[in-house]
Amino acid sequence: QKEVEQNSGPLSVPEGAIASLNCTYSDRVSQSFFWYRQYSGKSPELIMSIYSNGDKEDGRFTAQLNKASQYVSLLIRDSQPSDSATYLCAVNIDLRTNAGKSTFGDGTTLTVKP
Amino acid sequence: DAGVIQSPRHEVTEMGQEVTLRCKPISGHNSLFWYRQTMMRGLELLIYFNNNVPIDDSGMPEDRFSAKMPNASFSTLKIQPSEPRDSAVYFCASSFQGTFNEKLFFGSGTQLSVL
Repeated sequence: QKEVEQNSGPLSVPEGAIASLNCTYSDRVSQSFFWYRQYSGKSPELIMSIYSNGDKEDGRFTAQLNKASQYVSLLIRDSQPSDSATYLCAVNIDLRTNAGKSTFGDGTTLTVKP
Repeated sequence: DAGVIQSPRHEVTEMGQEVTLRCKPISGHNSLFWYRQTMMRGLELLIYFNNNVPIDDSGMPEDRFSAKMPNASFSTLKIQPSEPRDSAVYFCASSFQGTFNEKLFFGSGTQLSVL
């Protein structure tokens, strides 16, 4: 079992719709959770972080965390063609030191069609 | 701040040659990470440093790979000898490690092609 698993995708939604991206992780001691967006040919960039159970909203983005289910999701409301990218879920698992390393899922490619 | 700076952006080399990738982290960040990204394996962590000290190099594929961080503003990833299967995009990322502050800032990456 991979440490971080995401919907294999690709995911296609019409413009204006809600895009839902899902991620599960295997290590129960995980503390920090992140969503990165990666445009084709570019480097990943952080869009959301979440540390406690529940929802966290930032503009059109909402991250949801359920530690009991070991599940984290990202909702994108009013999807725009500019949201078309690969979304990477990252989990910080290593708590042995103060330097947490992020383990990434394989990513879900989202296409928003005009 | 200029962000994480990597060089070169592209590297094409022949099998058996030595390759050195370079990274300058964001000033003030105390952790540096080297990742490799391929279609087959996704984004995988090779090694990371905290306060210039290597913390976990379990992701380094084999002895052909080595990484150094001689000071807080510079790191190198070396492959010697290089092989075609090393072809990938190599990302350097930095962060300030504190409680729940482990956001990564990535450089633009080095596209490595080993022929």
